[in-house]
Amino acid sequence: GAGVSQSPSNKVTEKGKDVELRCDPISGHTALYWYRQSLGQGLEFLIYFQGNSAPDKSGLPSDRFSAERTGGSVSTLTIQRTQQEDSAVYLCASSLGTSGRYQETQYFGPGTRLLVL
Amino acid sequence: DAKTTQPNSMESNEEEPVHLPCNHSTISGTDYIHWYRQLPSQGPEYVIHGLTSNVNNRMASLAIAEDRKSSTLILHRATLRDAAVYYCILRNSGGSNYKLTFGKGTLLTVNP
Repeated sequence: GAGVSQSPSNKVTEKGKDVELRCDPISGHTALYWYRQSLGQGLEFLIYFQGNSAPDKSGLPSDRFSAERTGGSVSTLTIQRTQQEDSAVYLCASSLGTSGRYQETQYFGPGTRLLVL
Repeated sequence: DAKTTQPNSMESNEEEPVHLPCNHSTISGTDYIHWYRQLPSQGPEYVIHGLTSNVNNRMASLAIAEDRKSSTLILHRATLRDAAVYYCILRNSGGSNYKLTFGKGTLLTVNP
């Protein structure tokens, strides 16, 4: 079946511009996560959605970052006034979203490689 | 969160078994041991997880020490496609357990 898809796969932008990154989760998955992975760094949690609600936005680095999810499916991560330190791979993952399933597997998309010049 | 320690890199030959170690000496009784891997230019991929008993699936086997302070991911016959960074992490049943946190992992090189 179809996995998690993300678009664009690569994005080059100029400092100060806004960018939108899109994530299509696996059909039927109610939980969706955004992570960031910088070169040589580990995985950094950004935000978690359960349905259309975001109970945990604690990982968003600044108020330039926002995310929304509509129809319990597609999610968009928006970065306003991009800075060079925003350059990273932005990963989206989804899971079934069954409450309390601590070993619930997260399925990742291929990521969007963002380069801010 | 309890921490894991893995070697920075390992090397293997194609079609030979690979044993990837992970130390987690401060593991708690409710921590599950999970393994993910990340192929070049791809997102992380779930491999296997377990609590106390050894586990097998189509991708790999997980051997867990009796005291649970270490574990080993076993790839029975490495292929070139198995070249990736392998991450060993602990996931607890409480709190914000949905936040995956990876360390540096082990970079596995598979030689033809």
